[in-house]
Amino acid sequence: RKEVEQDPGPFNVPEGATVAFNCTYSNSASQSFFWYRQDCRKEPKLLMSVYSSGNEDGSFTAQLNRASQYISLLIRDSKLSDSATYLCVVTPMDSNYQLIWGAGTKLIIKP
Amino acid sequence: DAEITQSPRHKITETGRQVTLACHQTWNHNNMFWYRQDLGHGLRLIHYSYGVQDTNKGEVSDGYSVSRSNTEDLPLTLESAASSQTSVYFCASSESRQQLAQYFGPGTRLLVL
Repeated sequence: RKEVEQDPGPFNVPEGATVAFNCTYSNSASQSFFWYRQDCRKEPKLLMSVYSSGNEDGSFTAQLNRASQYISLLIRDSKLSDSATYLCVVTPMDSNYQLIWGAGTKLIIKP
Repeated sequence: DAEITQSPRHKITETGRQVTLACHQTWNHNNMFWYRQDLGHGLRLIHYSYGVQDTNKGEVSDGYSVSRSNTEDLPLTLESAASSQTSVYFCASSESRQQLAQYFGPGTRLLVL
């Protein structure tokens, strides 16, 4: 089983729709969580950290479920510019502070 | 503005040649990382450093080496390039072991013929 698993997609979603995807992780001792976005042929960019209480940044909401070991990303009122690959990142406590990367979920917003 | 840069952005080389990819950051971050990204594999860690003179192997370190002589730079060397090392290489940095979020350079596309 991979340490961090994501549905690769692609998710094809009409503009303005709400879309959500999850990411599961295997190490219950994981302590830090992030979502990154990566545009085609570009570098990954930090989208947001994920906190235990959940957090929101504009139209993006991230949540953490430690009991079920998954994090989620919700995008409301999706825009064409939200088309990208979204990478889930986890840091287990015993990883020497390294980030463990999911392979990404591809999102395509259609007009 | 502080940033992280990589050079060259594109490189074509021949099998067996030594290649060095440069990474330079002006954030004064302690931690620096090298990843490769290939279709179907996501980001894989090659080497990382938590400070000057500190280097550590990642999950795919064979055939690669790094050195950290100052805070700003972590060059990645391919000792004898192989076709399997054709990939996109990303350098990243993070502030400290407590501030884990990493910030990436624009990447180097390497083709080994």
